[in-house]
Amino acid sequence: NAGVTQTPKFRVLKTGQSMTLLCAQDMNHEYMYWYRQDPGMGLRLIHYSVGEGTTAKGEVPDGYNVSRLKKQNFLLGLESAAPSQTSVYFCASRQTTRELFFGEGSRLTVL
Amino acid sequence: SQQGEEDPQALSIQEGENATMNCSYKTSINNLQWYRQNSGRGLVHLILIRSNEREKHSGRLRVTLDTSKKSSSLLITASRAADTASYFCATLRTGANSKLTFGKGITLSVRP
Repeated sequence: NAGVTQTPKFRVLKTGQSMTLLCAQDMNHEYMYWYRQDPGMGLRLIHYSVGEGTTAKGEVPDGYNVSRLKKQNFLLGLESAAPSQTSVYFCASRQTTRELFFGEGSRLTVL
Repeated sequence: SQQGEEDPQALSIQEGENATMNCSYKTSINNLQWYRQNSGRGLVHLILIRSNEREKHSGRLRVTLDTSKKSSSLLITASRAADTASYFCATLRTGANSKLTFGKGITLSVRP
């Protein structure tokens, strides 16, 4: 039982390049989230999903897109990366009003 | 904007001492949760307290919730060097059961 798995764990991009972060969970959770964590800022919600085929915007959605085609997967895309998107990205999932289960993070640097 | 605000921002104590961390929030909540993050790792859930609960215990952890003051505290008793980590409170707002909002975190250092 792997829990929440994020790939890749590290990535370096040049400004303007695109990429996709993949989050997979094997707990059959309905809710999935993408957060970014920056020094002194805590965790800020980018996008989230309340079920397969649904997505919604969080606090800081600009510059990101998401898709939830399968219940177990939640993809975060950057169409044209900017240095301001250098961050650590965390995926999380949960069921009902219970606790979140987090992945180990994906560290993205945009040059 | 952050719903939860932790206090203090950083705390340094000696092994064996108790550590108390506080969290304040702004709106009505369904529940409040505390998480721990070790350096370079993902967050791990510690304890959840519902809005109709006032106190909860889990091992060396004790959480209190005062909904009239919109505040919570996390007490770690008999701290260990392994408790060194960042601690975050997160709130699930009433009527917004989809989103869990985090504070900026508290850095706890426990000196051996």
